[in-house]
Amino acid sequence: EDQVTQSPEALRLQEGESSSLNCSYTVSGLRGLFWYRQDPGKGPEFLFTLYSAGEEKEKERLKATLTKKESFLHITAPKPEDSATYLCAVQAGGNFNKFYFGSGTKLNVKP
Amino acid sequence: DAGVTQSPTHLIKTRGQQVTLRCSPKSGHDTVSWYQQALGQGPQFIFQYYEEEERQRGNFPDRFSGHQFPNYSSELNVNALLLGDSALYLCASSSRRQGGYGYTFGSGTRLTVV
Repeated sequence: EDQVTQSPEALRLQEGESSSLNCSYTVSGLRGLFWYRQDPGKGPEFLFTLYSAGEEKEKERLKATLTKKESFLHITAPKPEDSATYLCAVQAGGNFNKFYFGSGTKLNVKP
Repeated sequence: DAGVTQSPTHLIKTRGQQVTLRCSPKSGHDTVSWYQQALGQGPQFIFQYYEEEERQRGNFPDRFSGHQFPNYSSELNVNALLLGDSALYLCASSSRRQGGYGYTFGSGTRLTVV
């Protein structure tokens, strides 16, 4: 069964304290792995798509990496405005319009 | 360019009632998917519509039904509401012609069942 697990569930960082979020997955035929940011009461906002092991994407203080079993979202020198829930989702096999989501990591960055 | 538009933004219903949520996809998109997101959880896939037909369905009961119109907009209907149906309902649109790329979410409808 296709499954996505994110850890930790919650993460509290001081401003400037770098860390990583994990997304592990078991899926038949990965078509893509997606990272989203979600603010309270809002829909998920697209961050990155990764398609193959070894691929990396960067955007400002965020960097996403992908292996055959997991993905990491690295946050370098975070700021309070980075506080949000970060969701990982996978597109599997022929279901290119169906996403399997993890439960998310709630990040809180204190000034 | 308008993104995905959902209405209403908030809704309060009583147990046993029926509700209809609406979604207008992003311009150029032809596929609409609906998700339910309970508090503190990731979105769960309900179903997907393309060419006015339900193409895929997640593990949701028949109380959840939908429709897609010729202009690609979509409705989600939930009958016999339960307290457990309280959640954020998200609509996502994409283009099947583009292989599902550009998957875009709306801001959701917050449904509260009392």
